Amino acid sequence: QVQLHQSGPGLVKPSQTLSLTCAISGDSVSRSSAAWNWIRQSPSRGLEWLGRTYYRSNWYNDYAISVKSRISINADTSKNQFSLQLNSVTPEDTAVYYCARRSIAVTGAFDYWGQGSLVTVSS
Amino acid sequence: QSVLAQPPSASGTPGQRVTISCSGSSSNIGINTVSWYHQLPGTAPKLLIYSDNQRPSGVPDRFSGSKSGTSASLAISGLQSEDEGDYYCAAWDDSLNGYVVFGGGTKLTVL
Repeated sequence: QVQLHQSGPGLVKPSQTLSLTCAISGDSVSRSSAAWNWIRQSPSRGLEWLGRTYYRSNWYNDYAISVKSRISINADTSKNQFSLQLNSVTPEDTAVYYCARRSIAVTGAFDYWGQGSLVTVSS
Repeated sequence: QSVLAQPPSASGTPGQRVTISCSGSSSNIGINTVSWYHQLPGTAPKLLIYSDNQRPSGVPDRFSGSKSGTSASLAISGLQSEDEGDYYCAAWDDSLNGYVVFGGGTKLTVL
């Protein structure tokens, strides 16, 4: 059974960097038929896909245009996890952040999700 | 303003059939598959439908999906109290604005 477990601080100051980690069990971050995503949810923006990392002989990343200049998603194969870094945060980045697997087995839908992490941007 | 348009609310009585619509465009639903998710308060979304009309294992056949042109629908038959919650559609978008886009969500109430 695939499980995704998120960790990271729940409070970040404006202009600082938001960092979250998603630990994977029951699957491999390097599996070539999956992509590992970050999605956030807020009352004002709804569900918003932020980006993904995936391995296809090499590592690739894709990011949403709305955060492309501030985001970095990286995989750590030694720990079988992936991480999100969002720089220069503002209160508008306050949201529940989810990690999620996107799998070819379900034609690219998000079939497993982390438990969610509420991140508040406030001084 | 979400890229995919859903009605904000829907309701039905136990045993009834309800449908939830999801309207998109030629850059998303018109050319890519649709997935549907169910979310209970305080929990992560759960995959209900993928590839327009396919159910993952464990999802009851009371849930079905369909698509026509740039619109998709989720139907729930034999409505049960545990079906309450928020429902979201999603699709890959080939425009410059992003990769995956979601609907704004429909809150389903079982009366």
